[in-house]
Amino acid sequence: DTAVSQTPKYLVTQMGNDKSIKCEQNLGHDTMYWYKQDSKKFLKIMFSYNNKELIINETVPNRFSPKSPDKAHLNLHINSLELGDSAVYFCASSQADGRETQYFGPGTRLLVL
Amino acid sequence: DQQVKQNSPSLSVQEGRISILNCDYTNSMFDYFLWYKKYPAEGPTFLISISSIKDKNEDGRFTVFLNKSAKHLSLHIVPSQPGDSAVYFCAASSAGTASKLTFGTGTRLQVTL
Repeated sequence: DTAVSQTPKYLVTQMGNDKSIKCEQNLGHDTMYWYKQDSKKFLKIMFSYNNKELIINETVPNRFSPKSPDKAHLNLHINSLELGDSAVYFCASSQADGRETQYFGPGTRLLVL
Repeated sequence: DQQVKQNSPSLSVQEGRISILNCDYTNSMFDYFLWYKKYPAEGPTFLISISSIKDKNEDGRFTVFLNKSAKHLSLHIVPSQPGDSAVYFCAASSAGTASKLTFGTGTRLQVTL
């Protein structure tokens, strides 16, 4: 009965590879997000989707591409991985695009070697 | 450009005493503030929020105080319990981009017996 789930939890890969992280929420929320927490513990928003439409796109390299097949899923695909992409990536969801509480997944720990 | 700052990376408090976690912000457009709590290997979970029209919001043992003139907010936990040991993140948003949360770097609270 996990509210926001992410797969995989851990991901170790080589530079230059392409990888995807999947996120699913069973809360019936309309809005989903991707955050990145870097080595300095900054938690920064990357993308936000509302009903499958992109509403927030921060300054993120275009090697990162979010995809929302339906409003319960928001996947993150990363091309040509670089060392600096190593971080913890959190998916989150909220009821609407507003001041609603955001519910976070457990995070995916990505290590690029 | 760190718009939300938590200048104390860690705090240790005895069980039963008050924990006070501080947060400062620089963006005067922020009008909604939240505290999230994070345990290791889990995603952040929402704790309490406050709108800029208020200066205090209370929920059980947790109280958030907002001083708009000083651009400062604080989270009080009383009495502190060992289960409160976690990293606490302050976050803020503005009306124009309501779903975009800007997070601080967190304060690790250790409640000792």
